[in-house]
Amino acid sequence: GAGVSQSPRYKVAKRGQDVALRCDPISGHVSLFWYQQALGQGPEFLTYFQNEAQLDKSGLPSDRFFAERPEGSVSTLKIQRTQQEDSAVYLCASSSKTASYEQYFGPGTRLTVT
Amino acid sequence: AQSVTQPDIHITVSEGASLELRCNYSYGATPYLFWYVQSPGQGLQLLLKYFSGDTLVQGIKGFEAEFKRSQSSFNLRKPSVHWSDAAEYFCAAVSGNTPLVFGKGTRLSVIA
Repeated sequence: GAGVSQSPRYKVAKRGQDVALRCDPISGHVSLFWYQQALGQGPEFLTYFQNEAQLDKSGLPSDRFFAERPEGSVSTLKIQRTQQEDSAVYLCASSSKTASYEQYFGPGTRLTVT
Repeated sequence: AQSVTQPDIHITVSEGASLELRCNYSYGATPYLFWYVQSPGQGLQLLLKYFSGDTLVQGIKGFEAEFKRSQSSFNLRKPSVHWSDAAEYFCAAVSGNTPLVFGKGTRLSVIA
């Protein structure tokens, strides 16, 4: 596809369950970013990959959050033992090497923890 | 701390009227600046960006923004709003190796 895709688009999890959110970046984009967007707020940075290397994970709110990009393409954001405060839209973005500051966003995954 | 402020939470504009959405940033050095639009259930779409040079930048969908260093501002404008412009608008900034920082957004409503 031409853009960033994310799956699932919607996820409902019971408190305490583990979830995995997938991001397919634009083909050839070396940089990949994850953001968390709470209701009525702007996106907040979670973590950043350049190829398969996770260069910045300073925004991950707790050790329950884990992200990986093992082959430098698809990325997965995993949340263990979900809590109600994890309910948010999780956005993925990618950028190219030549325009690293210009990020292209996917549609997001809306996570609801009940 | 680096921050981006969008003072207006919600703005209502009549269709055909002009629009200005405000954005102020607080950074040690001038960051790169962006405006994104988010329609319900959609991801963020880049409207325009400012890196350097001409302080008036043109974007997609008829939007423009003006960078004013003296005011630490990067306001978004459109001369004539269409009903399809109703959405959430986010200003964002990045500097050096720090992450992209977003404002809290301004929701635009368009009335007939």
